[in-house]
Amino acid sequence: GENVEQHPSTLSVQEGDSAVIKCTYSDSASNYFPWYKQELGKRPQLIIDIRSNVGEKKDQRIAVTLNKTAKHFSLHITETQPEDSAVYFCAASKGTGANNLFFGTGTRLTVIP
Amino acid sequence: DGGITQSPKYLFRKEGQNVTLSCEQNLNHDAMYWYRQDPGQGLRLIYYSQIVNDFQKGDIAEGYSVSREKKESFPLTVTSAQKNPTAFYLCASSNRKLIGDWSNQPQHFGDGTRLSIL
Repeated sequence: GENVEQHPSTLSVQEGDSAVIKCTYSDSASNYFPWYKQELGKRPQLIIDIRSNVGEKKDQRIAVTLNKTAKHFSLHITETQPEDSAVYFCAASKGTGANNLFFGTGTRLTVIP
Repeated sequence: DGGITQSPKYLFRKEGQNVTLSCEQNLNHDAMYWYRQDPGQGLRLIYYSQIVNDFQKGDIAEGYSVSREKKESFPLTVTSAQKNPTAFYLCASSNRKLIGDWSNQPQHFGDGTRLSIL
């Protein structure tokens, strides 16, 4: 099955700085890569996703890059704000079958005011 | 997402007891999923269902059971065979319709149920 690794497990940045979270996956058949943000005690919320036919996708301060050859993808948050503090999860999925998501272990991001 | 409702928010289980967690969605999604979340770990898939009256085991199905009698509902039963049930349980749903070549649509989550042992 798919194995998704996520680094770092914790990340602290000063407000206004950028944050980068990296994930690798093992199954070359995976072609859908969402990122979820989870605040304490709340549901994970999709913040951005990318499919393997593109190398980069951007939505305001958030961007995701994908390197299919190296089997890794990254989340970039620019101009971080205290409300960006949360746990972020990456995931990978194949294009066929049950759309099962395989999640990374999460990164706890703290933005220091 | 307001379209997925999980209940109860907190649940306590006694030794030897089965408990059922409810998940209802009004998004008209075909697929539904149950995940377990433990501290320091990512979400792990327990069971999933792509259509009514069909479901499949995920990575950690032992000690759990599900049913999918209606499109809107996918309840999860934590049986007494699950020896370490304390966790945060999340239900999700997604569409399976094809858009171009892609069948993967985003999964949307409920607010979760926190299960503890008495």
